[in-house]
Amino acid sequence: GNSVTQMEGPVTLSEEAFLTINCTYTATGYPSLFWYVQYPGEGLQLLLKATKADDKGSNKGFEATYRKETTSFHLEKGSVQVSDSAVYFCALSDHHRDDKIIFGKGTRLHILP
Amino acid sequence: DAGVIQSPRHEVTEMGQEVTLRCKPISGHDYLFWYRQTMMRGLELLIYFNNNVPIDDSGMPEDRFSAKMPNASFSTLKIQPSEPRDSAVYFCASSQRTTYYEQYFGPGTRLTVT
Repeated sequence: GNSVTQMEGPVTLSEEAFLTINCTYTATGYPSLFWYVQYPGEGLQLLLKATKADDKGSNKGFEATYRKETTSFHLEKGSVQVSDSAVYFCALSDHHRDDKIIFGKGTRLHILP
Repeated sequence: DAGVIQSPRHEVTEMGQEVTLRCKPISGHDYLFWYRQTMMRGLELLIYFNNNVPIDDSGMPEDRFSAKMPNASFSTLKIQPSEPRDSAVYFCASSQRTTYYEQYFGPGTRLTVT
């Protein structure tokens, strides 16, 4: 079945450092890929999305490119801020199959001032 | 828009008691999802509805869990009887068919069963 694997955390960085959170997926069809973010005490919210191969999703300085050849969707940001501290979830959905979103286990990110 | 509303925000109960969690989705959304989040198991989909009809309940742990959606603006998740291993944060989320990929999550209900 479809699944998502993302790097385990926590990831701790200093402010203004470069961020990469790795994510790979397994899917039988042609899924759409997402990154969701969960700030402390809140529910998840959509950060960015890519619906087909080679698409790049971006939002709030974060980017991720849908790489079909490596089945990857790594999240990157050039210069992180303390306010980026949160849990990040890689996710996929195969809308032609069903309406569920399959989430990874999440990666906790700590940014030190 | 008020977003997805969940109540209560916190619930502490004793083992064996019945627990009812409530959710009001965003008006106009076709889908409603119930999730459970724990440190050990991460985020788990329990059940989801489309136009008030349960579509997939394969994530419901056992018969102690039940969910209903009597109308488009209200859903409940009931646990009877509750057990300590049910302690978790329970999230409700809703979405529209046209933007199925963007689920809007409520703030969650933190359940503690002692």
